[in-house]
Amino acid sequence: DTAVSQTPKYLVTQMGNDKSIKCEQNLGHDTMYWYKQDSKKFLKIMFSYNNKELIINETVPNRFSPKSPDKAHLNLHINSLELGDSAVYFCASSPRGANGYTFGSGTRLTVV
Amino acid sequence: QKEVEQNSGPLSVPEGAIASLNCTYSDRVSQSFFWYRQYSGKSPELIMSIYSNGDKEDGRFTAQLNKASQYVSLLIRDSQPSDSATYLCAVNWINKFYFGSGTKLNVKP
Repeated sequence: DTAVSQTPKYLVTQMGNDKSIKCEQNLGHDTMYWYKQDSKKFLKIMFSYNNKELIINETVPNRFSPKSPDKAHLNLHINSLELGDSAVYFCASSPRGANGYTFGSGTRLTVV
Repeated sequence: QKEVEQNSGPLSVPEGAIASLNCTYSDRVSQSFFWYRQYSGKSPELIMSIYSNGDKEDGRFTAQLNKASQYVSLLIRDSQPSDSATYLCAVNWINKFYFGSGTKLNVKP
């Protein structure tokens, strides 16, 4: 029973392609997030949704578009992939009050 | 600009020693603080949270918070090789978490 699950775990794709990463949580949490972790291990928030509503949208290229069909799902679609998009993308969720996140296992995206 | 700073390490300690990990943050308004452990190739996992000044102990882990100095630390007693990982400090500003870049800890048998 994985609490926060992401698919795929690995994604290798060519520059210019469009790809999606899916995330689902079964914890009943209200808030979900996408984080990007670069090669130096720095975790940076990209988006946050609270009960399907976008509440945080950091300075992220508009090639990145999150979608939350319901509060248990938050997907990330990336258009026109670039080499600099290569990173590990983590989905996370938290209960109301933000008492710490539960992270998914990550998606390692490699753009070649 | 909200900043969370950690020494990247690696911090090497012998098995059984106390490992001390430090974190400073830039904003006095922050209310809650967290330590995450991340093994290589894995996702971060929450190990400690602290909200008020002082010490909070949980097993071999002790988190220390000093809001006046904008400083939070994590002590790991009786360090084990299985504690070898990167430790990420996180600070919550208005429901947004800012992470430090992590300190890599090596516990040598």
